[in-house]
Amino acid sequence: EDKVVQSPLSLVVHEGDTVTLNCSYEVTNFRSLLWYKQEKKAPTFLFMLTSSGIEKKSGRLSSILDKKELFSILNITATQTGDSAVYLCEGAGGSQGNLIFGKGTKLSVKP
Amino acid sequence: ETGVTQSPTHLIKTRGQQVTLRCSSQSGHNTVSWYQQALGQGPQFIFQYYREEENGRGNFPPRFSGLQFPNYSSELNVNALELDDSALYLCASSLWVTDYGYTFGSGTRLTVV
Repeated sequence: EDKVVQSPLSLVVHEGDTVTLNCSYEVTNFRSLLWYKQEKKAPTFLFMLTSSGIEKKSGRLSSILDKKELFSILNITATQTGDSAVYLCEGAGGSQGNLIFGKGTKLSVKP
Repeated sequence: ETGVTQSPTHLIKTRGQQVTLRCSSQSGHNTVSWYQQALGQGPQFIFQYYREEENGRGNFPPRFSGLQFPNYSSELNVNALELDDSALYLCASSLWVTDYGYTFGSGTRLTVV
């Protein structure tokens, strides 16, 4: 059965810390892995990863995919209170719209 | 440029009733996916539509059905509502092949009593 597992489930850090969020996946006919940030309702897109070893960066956020070990990490450097949110990882597989989310990592950044 | 809009934002229904939720895709997007998100959980994939045809389905019973219209807007219909159907229902649209992922609407909060 396809699955996406995120760890940790929750994390509390202080402003300025660096955090690493983990996502492991087992997705049939894997196509891509996506990261989202969910603050209230609508998740907002962060990254889409399809190739191993190619880091994607956006400001203080970066992510990389390892297709051999079937995982991805999301790094946030110099965290700010505005980074507090649930971070979701989604695996996309096959051509039949096979889309699987993990349960998310709840990040709380304290001032 | 408009984003993804969902209606209604909140809804209360009685067990056994039927409900229709609506979603307007972002301009230019021809693919729409629906998700159910229970409190404290990640979204669960219900189904996806691409150019008016179902393109994949998650582990949801047949009483969850959908439609996509020629303008790529979409509906999610749920028959014979159960208490466990209470959740946030999210719609997301995308281009089929894109590096920008999905654009989500703000969701419809459905409460079944």
